[in-house]
This record gives sequence, C-alpha cells and structure tokens, in this order.
Amino acid sequence: GAVVSQHPSRVICKSGTSVKIECRSLDFQATTMFWYRQFPKQSLMLMATSNEGSKATYEQGVEKDKFLINHASLTLSTLTVTSAHPEDSSFYICSARDPGAVTSYEQYFGPGTRLTVT
Amino acid sequence: GNSVTQMEGPVTLSEEAFLTINCTYTATGYPSLFWYVQYPGEGLQLLLKATKADDKGSNKGFEATYRKETTSFHLEKGSVQVSDSAVYFCALKNNQGGKLIFGQGTELSVKP
Repeated sequence: GAVVSQHPSRVICKSGTSVKIECRSLDFQATTMFWYRQFPKQSLMLMATSNEGSKATYEQGVEKDKFLINHASLTLSTLTVTSAHPEDSSFYICSARDPGAVTSYEQYFGPGTRLTVT
Repeated sequence: GNSVTQMEGPVTLSEEAFLTINCTYTATGYPSLFWYVQYPGEGLQLLLKATKADDKGSNKGFEATYRKETTSFHLEKGSVQVSDSAVYFCALKNNQGGKLIFGQGTELSVKP
C-alpha cells in the first residue's frame, strides 16, 4: 500500500526556537496533504489542508503564522512550528491523499512526530 | 456540527474474547464512516469503511455496520488476538466537506 513518512519522529527544542517537520509520500504523488495534531488520550484534530503549489487552508482557531505549511512538491509537505512554546508540545501527524487511487476518499497516514518544547 | 463519540478506553481483553467498541456520530447529510487502527509506533491505517446506511464493512475479522437509525458504527470482532492490541479510531467524512472527523480513540490491550 501507499507509504507516508515523517521526519523527525521525535524532536526536542527550546522555547522560542522553530522546528520543521517533513511529510513525504514515498510511492505516490500527493496533491493534497493534511496536518493533524493529537493530544494524549484525545482525537486527531485537523490543523490544515495543504495543496501542492498553493496556500494551505487552515482550520478555525489554528494560527497560520505560527504553523507554517509549505507543499512545494507532489511528494513533500513541511510544517514549521515557529517560536515554539511548551503548549505546542504535541504529536503531529500528516496524511496524504493519492489522487490515482481507486478509493479517492482514502488518506494514508504518517507515523507522527512527537514534539517536546522545553 | 459533525462529531464522533467512542467508548472510553483502555479496553483490556483476554485472547479469543469478543470485542465491541462503540461508536456513535452526529452529522448532517449522509456521511461515510470509517474505522482506523494505530499500532504502536505506526501511523493510522484504514481498517474498514461503510459509505451508506446498512452497509457492513469488514476486514481482518473485524466488522462494523452503518446504522442510520441509531447513528452508530460499532466495531466488533469475534475472537481477538494479542496482535490486535492497538488504538482504534472511529471517523466520519461528510461528502460536502471532505474532511475526516475522528473520535478520541479507544486503546485495546489483549492479554495472552
């Protein structure tokens, strides 16, 4: 099946610094990628939808200037957490939709990135 | 708005026990319904789906039936294995919006 990778799997950074998380579709071209945030024991919350070559669409309440999303190619989307604070510590998950798949509704998920801000 | 509610975990079962994880939803229109599974250290994987009322999704011994009258999509398996230990997410996708909306996840632990 389709594979989505994320890098890094874990990152620890100091408060005030920026962190970039990469999401790659390894064996398909993803015109649309999604970024989620997951708190412990809670659901995945959609942060933004990223379309290749255009600006990301952010969900209500998500600060676009804090969570910068770039989808510069059909296989790579990046999420940059700018000026990170401890409350940004979370599990970030990306997913990608394969437009060539028979089941166009299916999203393929990455393994997630654990961000800890100290 | 659209929402999904799952039974709280963790659920702990002995091997070969019967599993039910309850899921109910609130949605406008006629959503598609999904169960995803997240094994330790891995990303979410689609387990099964149903796209209209009375559809039954099934995969790997798991089943769930789309019940419009009770707005439910309960996950069942007749005989669980240790390898089924994972977190299970119920989700819906409203065809208008196209976004996946997840429940909070239910952790299943199967003991030998």
